[in-house]
Amino acid sequence: EPEVTQTPSHQVTQMGQEVILRCVPISNHLYFYWYRQILGQKVEFLVSFYNNEISEKSEIFDDQFSVERPDGSNFTLKIRSTKLEDSAMYFCASSVLAGEDTQYFGPGTRLTVL
Amino acid sequence: KNQVEQSPQSLIILEGKNCTLQCNYTVSPFSNLRWYKQDTGRGPVSLTIMTFSENTKSNGRYTATLDADTKQSSLHITASQLSDSASYICVVSAYNTDKLIFGTGTRLQVFP
Repeated sequence: EPEVTQTPSHQVTQMGQEVILRCVPISNHLYFYWYRQILGQKVEFLVSFYNNEISEKSEIFDDQFSVERPDGSNFTLKIRSTKLEDSAMYFCASSVLAGEDTQYFGPGTRLTVL
Repeated sequence: KNQVEQSPQSLIILEGKNCTLQCNYTVSPFSNLRWYKQDTGRGPVSLTIMTFSENTKSNGRYTATLDADTKQSSLHITASQLSDSASYICVVSAYNTDKLIFGTGTRLQVFP
């Protein structure tokens, strides 16, 4: 069964450094998402992406964050200058359609900012 | 404010027993409600999705109910198995938005 994959599984970085988290969505999906989950807290929506542009973003997704689909398979989340509070699990998800369609989540990347 | 609340926070049951998890939401205008299962350190996996007009939906041993008038949902797990041990998260979506609003989850532990 097709699945969303994410790399790396764990990323450790120094505060102020840039990180890029990578995702390969399911191949026929058109809508892509990033979520984060701070340890012990709820999963939070960051951004949705369709047709090579951001369709919606949350208040968390400030100028330090950016997303890109550099080719036909990868979907990336970049954090320009990491802060301690960016430490979290980051999940990528994808769906065929928006709205009521099932979003399929990847296994996550655990980001630790020191 | 759009919120999703779940109860109980945690639950311990014996293998083979049934259990019911609760979800209350204040998301408006309501579009759909989903239940996800999340194993520790893994991404959420979809169990059910229900729209406004659906009262119940089943997926194997999982049965979700929705009362859109009282803004409540439940997830019933029948004949629990050890592999059911996970967090179960209620997720609600409003109209005209991609944003999913997650509850804090109920952590279920099934013991032999």
